[in-house]
Amino acid sequence: GIQVEQSPPDLILQEGANSTLRCNFSDSVNNLQWFHQNPWGQLINLFYIPSGTKQNGRLSATTVATERYSLLYISSSQTTDSGVYFCAVLPIGQNFVFGPGTRLSVLP
Amino acid sequence: KAGVTQTPRYLIKTRGQQVTLSCSPISGHRSVSWYQQTPGQGLQFLFEYFSETQRNKGNFPGRFSGRQFSNSRSEMNVSTLELGDSALYLCASSPPSWTGPYEQYFGPGTRLTVT
Repeated sequence: GIQVEQSPPDLILQEGANSTLRCNFSDSVNNLQWFHQNPWGQLINLFYIPSGTKQNGRLSATTVATERYSLLYISSSQTTDSGVYFCAVLPIGQNFVFGPGTRLSVLP
Repeated sequence: KAGVTQTPRYLIKTRGQQVTLSCSPISGHRSVSWYQQTPGQGLQFLFEYFSETQRNKGNFPGRFSGRQFSNSRSEMNVSTLELGDSALYLCASSPPSWTGPYEQYFGPGTRLTVT
């Protein structure tokens, strides 16, 4: 089956710093989503981004489907950005497969 | 629009018992997927229902089952609970699509503890 890798696995930042999270996948996908899981376990939609670039406030994402990767950019990080970030890909004819996540800690 | 709701939010059961979890999707969504999240295995797909039919199934034993009702609400059942079934169970709904789930929206989850 498809392999989904995320890097880095852990990231510690000072408030105000910028960061880039990466998601690599091993096969063609129809769709890709980024989620933020808060400390209570809720998965919050960040981006639905099968290709191209999207921006939402301090967050932006880019997916290059032909090269099988996606990037999530967080600028001017805040303590509320802490949590685990997941990418999930949808292989053709299958269901969503999640990566292992990047655990982000933003220190005040 | 109201989001995805899951009940109950927390549950404690004993080994050997069975449990039923419920998920109400976003209004108008017809696809419901279930996932199990554990620290060791991460987020794993259980099954997906669309228009009351199971469309896709993950690699879980037959003790895990589900169903979907005509109003798109879904339930999952785990029989003969084992300690390893302790997990956060997440439900996601997607807008209607005959070719598969698209953008998924998740509920808050049900945290199941098996003792």
